[in-house]
Amino acid sequence: AQSVAQPEDQVNVAEGNPLTVKCTYSVSGNPYLFWYVQYPNRGLQFLLKYITGDNLVKGSYGFEAEFNKSQTSFHLKKPSALVSDSALYFCAVRADTGAGSYQLTFGKGTKLSVIP
Amino acid sequence: KAGVTQTPRYLIKTRGQQVTLSCSPISGHRSVSWYQQTPGQGLQFLFEYFSETQRNKGNFPGRFSGRQFSNSRSEMNVSTLELGDSALYLCASSSDGPWQPQHFGDGTRLSIL
Repeated sequence: AQSVAQPEDQVNVAEGNPLTVKCTYSVSGNPYLFWYVQYPNRGLQFLLKYITGDNLVKGSYGFEAEFNKSQTSFHLKKPSALVSDSALYFCAVRADTGAGSYQLTFGKGTKLSVIP
Repeated sequence: KAGVTQTPRYLIKTRGQQVTLSCSPISGHRSVSWYQQTPGQGLQFLFEYFSETQRNKGNFPGRFSGRQFSNSRSEMNVSTLELGDSALYLCASSSDGPWQPQHFGDGTRLSIL
């Protein structure tokens, strides 16, 4: 079975500092990896994805993520955090669960707080 | 393009009742998935529909069911509501292909009294 782990329930970072939100995954086969952000009382917004190729992928709002196959990780990063980045972040993985069936599995989420 | 629209935004029901939630996907998207979000369990996959057929199903009891219409709009039904069904129910649509990101609506918040 595929799974996603976000080891930190909460990450606090000062405004202007770099931020990292960690994600590791477990799948059979090649993964498709995604990051989403959720603001209060809203649905999830897509940030970026990794399909294949370059291990560093760039997404919306200045976010980027680094795919590391040997460590099965896909950490989300941003060089300079903004107060408006404060939200709940979800990592997700999609892989073949058998017979060509794909299912999107989410991590538990990490609450990011950017302190002014 | 208009985003994913879910109606209603809020619902209050009592135990034993049933409820139907509606989702209109982004135009052109034929895949619609449903998720349940709770503070304790996080985001859990309910089911996915593609071209009116259920393509994937999560580990939820049979009280949870869904369907998709020819225009890709989808409904989710929960029968015999339990207190534990209180949650935010999210619908997401996407183009076909596992590499395609899902686009979410703002959800229906269901409260069971």
